[in-house]
Amino acid sequence: DQQVKQNSPSLSVQEGRISILNCDYTNSMFDYFLWYKKYPAEGPTFLISISSIKDKNEDGRFTVFLNKSAKHLSLHIVPSQPGDSAVYFCAASALKYGGSQGNLIFGKGTKLSVKP
Amino acid sequence: NAGVTQTPKFQVLKTGQSMTLQCAQDMNHEYMSWYRQDPGMGLRLIHYSVGAGITDQGEVPNGYNVSRSTTEDFPLRLLSAAPSQTSVYFCASGPTGPQKLFFGSGTQLSVL
Repeated sequence: DQQVKQNSPSLSVQEGRISILNCDYTNSMFDYFLWYKKYPAEGPTFLISISSIKDKNEDGRFTVFLNKSAKHLSLHIVPSQPGDSAVYFCAASALKYGGSQGNLIFGKGTKLSVKP
Repeated sequence: NAGVTQTPKFQVLKTGQSMTLQCAQDMNHEYMSWYRQDPGMGLRLIHYSVGAGITDQGEVPNGYNVSRSTTEDFPLRLLSAAPSQTSVYFCASGPTGPQKLFFGSGTQLSVL
């Protein structure tokens, strides 16, 4: 039973346009959410996070939106650049509960291709 | 700035062999963990440690052992390799917990 779902395995976007990556979760205990970016043959790198007390967090071209009632979050990249082409993983944690509940649960990832 | 260092980068084993994947971090992070990444499966937690001398199981611990004798090192041992353990393994560390993890570059393991 997947607790964190990324239903789109891939996404193709034109350079300069907006990329929207989606993530759904099922566990109501999750209170902290992250996005990681992964290039081939490298480890994932942290991109942006959001706590459940917020509904939006912005960092440069990257914005994460959280809709708690829908158990849905999305990552917006504006404008998209060819260097953004990578696999993006959504992850969630039940941080306030601590212990093993605090461990990150990852989605399966979405491969973003930004075409020049 | 080494960050999280994993060795080896590639390894081929025969079924039944044992080996240890090394992981070291130089950021004085308390939290360390091992994930495996399989096609279409995302990243799944194998074992984790919240500090030296403390380890616990993650989502997929069977067939793996860990120990944490120092803050810096967190080796992952495959006791008797099986083809199902063919995967890419990532070690990750965090300052106090699993939030905002720093990942190593991975070990690609094939078990024949």
